[in-house]
Amino acid sequence: AQSVTQLGSHVSVSEGALVLLRCNYSSSVPPYLFWYVQYPNQGLQLLLKYTTGATLVKGINGFEAEFKKSETSFHLTKPSAHMSDAAEYFCAVSDRSGNQFYFGTGTSLTVIP
Amino acid sequence: DTAVSQTPKYLVTQMGNDKSIKCEQNLGHDTMYWYKQDSKKFLKIMFSYNNKELIINETVPNRFSPKSPDKAHLNLHINSLELGDSAVYFCASSQGTVIQYFGAGTRLSVL
Repeated sequence: AQSVTQLGSHVSVSEGALVLLRCNYSSSVPPYLFWYVQYPNQGLQLLLKYTTGATLVKGINGFEAEFKKSETSFHLTKPSAHMSDAAEYFCAVSDRSGNQFYFGTGTSLTVIP
Repeated sequence: DTAVSQTPKYLVTQMGNDKSIKCEQNLGHDTMYWYKQDSKKFLKIMFSYNNKELIINETVPNRFSPKSPDKAHLNLHINSLELGDSAVYFCASSQGTVIQYFGAGTRLSVL
């Protein structure tokens, strides 16, 4: 069984500052890991994913995440926050069949001008 | 063209009514899902269908019944609506292990 924990339901950063959104997972099998972004009143959009290979994955809009097996983590970062990054961010884990897909509870990112 | 489309976008109804939400994907994906997002933004998987067959049926009241007439469609029918059913319902599709496309959501309000 898989599960995801996102630490911090609300994160505020200043424009231009580092964005760090935390995600820890639990999985009995090698997981696939994902980050999604949800803008107000919209559906979810895939930011990036880790399946196999390089543990540092780059996504859209300058975001990246690093899979750390020893820490069971998949934290999302962006070097410099932009006002347009304000949104809800969801970490997700799936097994390799894709039939079991579980989301974290989400982190709301506020960017302060 | 919208990859995953849901209708309606908003649904306001009285307790006890029966309603349906439709979902269609034009991506040729084999797997479709329904998720419920509550007021705290928590996303919970409800159902997963692979090529018209039910794969996942999480702990969901049997008032909720998914129907997949073909692999491009996964509709959600809800009987005897309750106040607690108020939420945003998202349809999604995937090919393989990555859900890349979500619908825009259906905001259901039960009065």
